[in-house]
Amino acid sequence: QKEVEQNSGPLSVPEGAIASLNCTYSDRGSQSFFWYRQYSGKSPELIMSIYSNGDKEDGRFTAQLNKASQYVSLLIRDSQPSDSATYLCAVNDRGSTLGRLYFGRGTQLTVWP
Amino acid sequence: SAVISQKPSRDICQRGTSLTIQCQVDSQVTMMFWYRQQPGQSLTLIATANQGSEATYESGFVIDKFPISRPNLTFSTLTVSNMSPEDSSIYLCSVEVTGSNEKLFFGSGTQLSVL
Repeated sequence: QKEVEQNSGPLSVPEGAIASLNCTYSDRGSQSFFWYRQYSGKSPELIMSIYSNGDKEDGRFTAQLNKASQYVSLLIRDSQPSDSATYLCAVNDRGSTLGRLYFGRGTQLTVWP
Repeated sequence: SAVISQKPSRDICQRGTSLTIQCQVDSQVTMMFWYRQQPGQSLTLIATANQGSEATYESGFVIDKFPISRPNLTFSTLTVSNMSPEDSSIYLCSVEVTGSNEKLFFGSGTQLSVL
């Protein structure tokens, strides 16, 4: 059984701060890693994907991957109240279609003004 | 991108009945996926639906309980059969958009409550 673990949260940060979200995964064969944002009552929305070790930046978001440690993280710089949501980490197997993802339970983030 | 319409958006059902959830995509896609999100739990893949072939079910899910149809490249249905309160969950349809920037898009979901 492939497992994806996230820090349970909830995580609360002030506006303008950096929010750090962490995720570990059990299967060393995992090749693709994703962060989804899910607002309450809404469906998940992809915000970042990362496939190789290191950092990947997109605007205020930075994803970090360390395959040796089986660890992936998401940093949100200059956090805004609109970033308040649940963030889901998802991983994909080597050779598996993109749609077969294993998700963590999510970390609830609250950004207060 | 892909626009995915899912209905019903929510329903309250009696134990022992069945509910069919529809998923319509605005473009042709090879693969469609059905996920379940139980309260406080992670999203879990139920099955993968390809047009013209039997759906492929993940461990713990069976066709008798969750029959799936995929009659064409833009439409799929998931039926939750002989429901029990444990089936109360959000059911999500998703599609894979391939290309230079592969993405998995989710429908708006169906909130199911079983009494």
